[in-house]
Formats: sequence, structure tokens, C-alpha cells
Amino acid sequence: QVTLRESGPALVKPTQTLTLTCTFSGFSLSTTDMCVTWVRQPPGKALEWLAFIDWDDDKYYSTSLKTRLTISKDTSKNQVVLTMTNMDPVDTATYYCARIRNYYGSGRYFYMDVWGKGTTVTVSS
Amino acid sequence: SSELTQDPAVSVALGQTVRITCQGDSLRSYYASWYQQKPGQAPVLVIYGENNRPSGIPDRFSGSSSGNTASVTITGAQAEDEADYYCNSRDSSGNHVVFGGGTKLTVL
Repeated sequence: QVTLRESGPALVKPTQTLTLTCTFSGFSLSTTDMCVTWVRQPPGKALEWLAFIDWDDDKYYSTSLKTRLTISKDTSKNQVVLTMTNMDPVDTATYYCARIRNYYGSGRYFYMDVWGKGTTVTVSS
Repeated sequence: SSELTQDPAVSVALGQTVRITCQGDSLRSYYASWYQQKPGQAPVLVIYGENNRPSGIPDRFSGSSSGNTASVTITGAQAEDEADYYCNSRDSSGNHVVFGGGTKLTVL
């Protein structure tokens, strides 16, 4: 059974750095085609992709947030860590991690098949 | 990066059929995936690839695509299908991921 769980602070102050950890089980991030992504959702708004890391340690970032984000993985611990610098109240959101399946079959497949429950982060002084 | 466009809201009568669409250039390169999200819950994958349902997703959900447009169809909508639906794909360059703005489905 594949599971993912997000952890991190519920409250951060403006200008601080947020560190979120995604701890997963049921798969290995060293397996070809496996990736883990972070997605956030401000209250009442749409899903927003942030970053993902693949089995080969390639990293991909949202263009608008690229300068503030760092994603990394610890395969031995089954964890993916996302850091976001210079937090602002507009970054208040629920942050999700999810597993991505990425492969070529009858076409190019790329989908988030299992999600964590999410962790809510509020940015306020 | 490219964008994915969805209608903000769609409604359907109980038991009827509804189609939710998603348009974007990235869909010419990658299959769309579709997620259902109910209030206070994490998104759930309902359709991926050409027309694939994960285990546990009712067969009233189906997917299709043509050119730059992907769709998810619910045949015989149920009250429990009322939710927000998001489409998603990798962009054409492969360097970014895009979500549609979401469609709020109301079952009347």
C-alpha cells in the first residue's frame, strides 16, 4: 500500500523559511519512472504545482516560485523535502505531496496517483 | 510553461451525463489526468492516460482526448460526484507541470 504524509510547521512568520517533509512508504524513489511532487492550495483557490523530483534526482520547479524553492530526496529515509524561502502571507495554503507516475506507454503518461492528506501552513506574524 | 483551461462551473441533473473539458497545448504531448476534490479533502485521481481508472473509481467515470482537448465524462451522475475537478499534465517542454483552474460540478 502506497502512502504519503506531509509534516512541517503549521505557522511560520513572514520572511522565514518553510521546510516541509514528505514521508512515504510502499514504493522506492530510486525506481525508474517514480517521482514525488509538491502541490499547494490556498484557501478557496485552485491547486498550484510547486516542484517535483524524479528517480534520477532531476528537479523541476514552478517558474514563478523557482527562486524560492528547493526540493531534495533522501532515498534511504523515503523522504522528500521542500524548502520555500521568504514566506509571505499569500503563501498560506494547504501543502500536499503526491507520487507521480511518469512513463511512456501508448502515449506519454504523467499523473499523481497517490496523495497525502496535506498539511496546512499559515503565514502570519 | 503552458496553461490548461477549464470551465469554472458545470451542473448536471441527478442521473444524467456530464462532460468536463480541459484545453491546452500540453495535451498534444501528454495525456491529461483528472482529479476529484471534495471540500476539506485531498485530491483523488479519477482518470489518467487515454481512459484509465484507478482501482476503486466507479466505471461511470470515463476519459477521452482529441488534439488539445481532454474530457472526463460522468455517465449517470450521482450526488456524491459533486466536487471540484482538476485536469493536469506535464507541459510540452517537460520542464513544468500545469493544473487547470478547476471545474465545480453541481449535481442538481
